[in-house]
Formats: sequence, structure tokens, C-alpha cells
Amino acid sequence: KNEVEQSPQNLTAQEGEFITINCSYSVGISALHWLQQHPGGGIVSLFMLSSGKKKHGRLIATINIQEKHSSLHITASHPRDSAVYICAAYMNYGGSQGNLIFGKGTKLSVKP
Amino acid sequence: NAGVTQTPKFRILKIGQSMTLQCTQDMNHNYMYWYRQDPGMGLKLIYYSVGAGITDKGEVPNGYNVSRSTTEDFPLRLELAAPSQTSVYFCASSYSAGEYYEQYFGPGTRLTVT
Repeated sequence: KNEVEQSPQNLTAQEGEFITINCSYSVGISALHWLQQHPGGGIVSLFMLSSGKKKHGRLIATINIQEKHSSLHITASHPRDSAVYICAAYMNYGGSQGNLIFGKGTKLSVKP
Repeated sequence: NAGVTQTPKFRILKIGQSMTLQCTQDMNHNYMYWYRQDPGMGLKLIYYSVGAGITDKGEVPNGYNVSRSTTEDFPLRLELAAPSQTSVYFCASSYSAGEYYEQYFGPGTRLTVT
């Protein structure tokens, strides 16, 4: 079982819809990273957060450390938002600096 | 800044061949990482480095080797390529590790071993 789970795996929306992508994790973490992977394959960072909420344009990320859950919201979705959204968690265990654990991603398709 | 660059973008190898995937960053980041992404799976860490001369294994290191002779470069070596190494490889870097240091990714190398 993956320590970081995302839902849904696939999501199709109409342009303008409000979108929510969920991420849950099974162990203690220090921070969560939301990433976007473009259809061409490139990966860019959207947010890094350890508590509360962050907003950037039409994107909002929230995290509840106690409930081990984070959400990524997209308001007024647009076809250019079509991409794979990945959450990755920095786990608390060990001293390794390579302890970023990735979810499998949520593939979002926004139809015009 | 070019950020993180990777070469080549695509490569086809025959079983048993060797190759080196190149990764360079110009952000003076201390930490560098190699990941592989298989279809339908999350990224898996192969190797990482916390500075020049220091490397360590990640989750899936078998069949790979790395070196870090400079801050900028972190090449990944595949010895005796196998079909199981068919994947997309991403290099990433960050100034440090943890909640305040996001990782920056290269464009990826798509490798097919036949």
C-alpha cells in the first residue's frame, strides 16, 4: 500500500467548474508538496505547505496535519489546467534527506 | 537561469548496453535527486546527493550508479541495461531538503530498453 494516496485517479470537468483533488497519507509528515506534470511531461512545483492554506491565482492548497489530509482546489477551471497533479510528502521518519514520497497522481482533463 | 537540464531527451538501448544520463543545474543547489517514473506509478527515488562528493541510495538503486564531482552535475549511469529500466527519468534539485525547500525538476529522459 502506497503511503501517499490520491483521489480521484482521473477527473474530467467542464470549463468553469470548481475542482478538488485529495491527498491522504498514512504516516507523520513534515510538509506536503503539490506538483503539476504537463502533458509534455515536465514537472513544476505548485505549493509546499506544512499547515493551513496557500493560494496562488486560481489554485488553493490546504492541509490538515492531524487528519493526514491535503486538498488542491482549482477555481474557474480552464482547459489549460489539464495535467497530472501529484502530491508528495516529506515523511518524518529517519534522517534521510531523500524521504519525499510521491502519490501516483490525478489526471485532470478540463473540457471547453 | 536554465534551471535543471537533462540530456538526452529520448534514448533507445539494447539489453546489456550502458549509458549515462546527464543532469546539470545552475541554481547552486546543494541537493540533487534522480527519480524514475513508471506508467501509473508515483515517482521513485533512485539516488540522491547532498553535496559534491556525497551520494546515497534511494528506494530503487539497483542497476544504477551516480557520482557528484561538482555542485552542478549529477550524472546517472546505467550498467547492463535491462527491460525493467524502461522508464522516464527525472533529475531534480533543491537548495536544501524539507518543508521550506521545493524541488525543481528537469524535463525528463524517456528511456526504452529492448
